[in-house]
Amino acid sequence: DTEVTQTPKHLVMGMTNKKSLKCEQHMGHRAMYWYKQKAKKPPELMFVYSYEKLSINESVPSRFSPECPNSSLLNLHLHALQPEDSALYLCASSRTGDSEQYFGPGTRLTVT
Amino acid sequence: AQTVTQSQPEMSVQEAETVTLSCTYDTSESDYYLFWYKQPPSRQMILVIRQEAYKQQNATENRFSVNFQKAAKSFSLKISDSQLGDAAMYFCAYRSSDYNQGGKLIFGQGTELSVKP
Repeated sequence: DTEVTQTPKHLVMGMTNKKSLKCEQHMGHRAMYWYKQKAKKPPELMFVYSYEKLSINESVPSRFSPECPNSSLLNLHLHALQPEDSALYLCASSRTGDSEQYFGPGTRLTVT
Repeated sequence: AQTVTQSQPEMSVQEAETVTLSCTYDTSESDYYLFWYKQPPSRQMILVIRQEAYKQQNATENRFSVNFQKAAKSFSLKISDSQLGDAAMYFCAYRSSDYNQGGKLIFGQGTELSVKP
């Protein structure tokens, strides 16, 4: 199983809503990542978890809150987002922090 | 800080022909990894090929091969016998071997490849 899954595929939320994105992998990978990607642009790293501990936060606004409940699961909690936060949110995992990353299909988020 | 540059925003190739996508990077490190990722309109990023900087031999994966020139800091991707399914955005990416950087990928701006039947 070399798959990273993400749910939901699409999400529309208002600026006052609270929602969560979910990412799951069963490859035994110990590093997991959240990226934000705007159309026709490269992904931008948001957070890195290594062995279930947050190791990198790329100065992401606090309205994005990551959580890693266990080694297979990564969540991104969203609250009071702005329209400019509309983007494709990609999750990735790697065996360790120095291995190649495998990406999920992403969640297309629209903030209205 | 490391940077990655893809100077070709768009490229086009005829089906069954060969195309080369360019990538240059800047780093002061001697040990690192380079990748090419493909992102079709379906949007999932797919790892195409990887290259370790300490290996002189160019990586190949079926129809995909790279030309890695470490001194010139160049890492181009050659796609042979292009197929319609190769149409996608291609990103070149750099990753430091420094564990403290947490595996962060530094991406180029991408090259959008179209394949003409």
